[in-house]
Amino acid sequence: DGGITQSPKYLFRKEGQNVTLSCEQNLNHDAMYWYRQDPGQGLRLIYYSQIVNDFQKGDIAEGYSVSREKKESFPLTVTSAQKNPTAFYLCASSSPENDGYTFGSGTRLTVV
Amino acid sequence: AQKVTQAQTEISVVEKEDVTLDCVYETRDTTYYLFWYKQPPSGELVFLIRRNSFDEQNEISGRYSWNFQKSTSSFNFTITASQVVDSAVYFCALPDTGNTGKLIFGQGTTLQVKP
Repeated sequence: DGGITQSPKYLFRKEGQNVTLSCEQNLNHDAMYWYRQDPGQGLRLIYYSQIVNDFQKGDIAEGYSVSREKKESFPLTVTSAQKNPTAFYLCASSSPENDGYTFGSGTRLTVV
Repeated sequence: AQKVTQAQTEISVVEKEDVTLDCVYETRDTTYYLFWYKQPPSGELVFLIRRNSFDEQNEISGRYSWNFQKSTSSFNFTITASQVVDSAVYFCALPDTGNTGKLIFGQGTTLQVKP
């Protein structure tokens, strides 16, 4: 079945460490997105990519980095510069023919 | 700027009650889409509906219905005869201006349906 796979589901990070969240899709979608969700809040866009080898900053890109070397993959790195990384991270993809986004099941990151 | 407002932070109902979730939006676009998503406790957002601004007819899908009022910039979502499985966070969303594919989400409404 086509879809988006995010891994790991839960991730614990020590302060000062970088961690990378995986997002893989087999939907052949051109565009991919990373959102951050904090308790009781909506989704805020971190980075997005409309095509391979190209990506743009979203509303809260500071402390994060991404790459888009393959169409299927859009990993997100949470760097030590991100001051408050504990949150739920959602990856999504879309195509012009798609009815909105398809979301992954999310990664819950906790700083310990 | 594009904006989506879901003024209801939390709603609690008893099973079999009808419930309406409000969504008000602001946009400079003359044509646009609107979306509703459901986020159950598992965390994944599930697509519910996409509505084109050209089409102001109400849409019904089983126990779900949507009332789109362009004149008041609202796109409200009603669940009829609510069930415990409807308990989730519901998000209304609107594409950003330009052709970025970005979605602007409301803050979400947490619906709790009690047995």
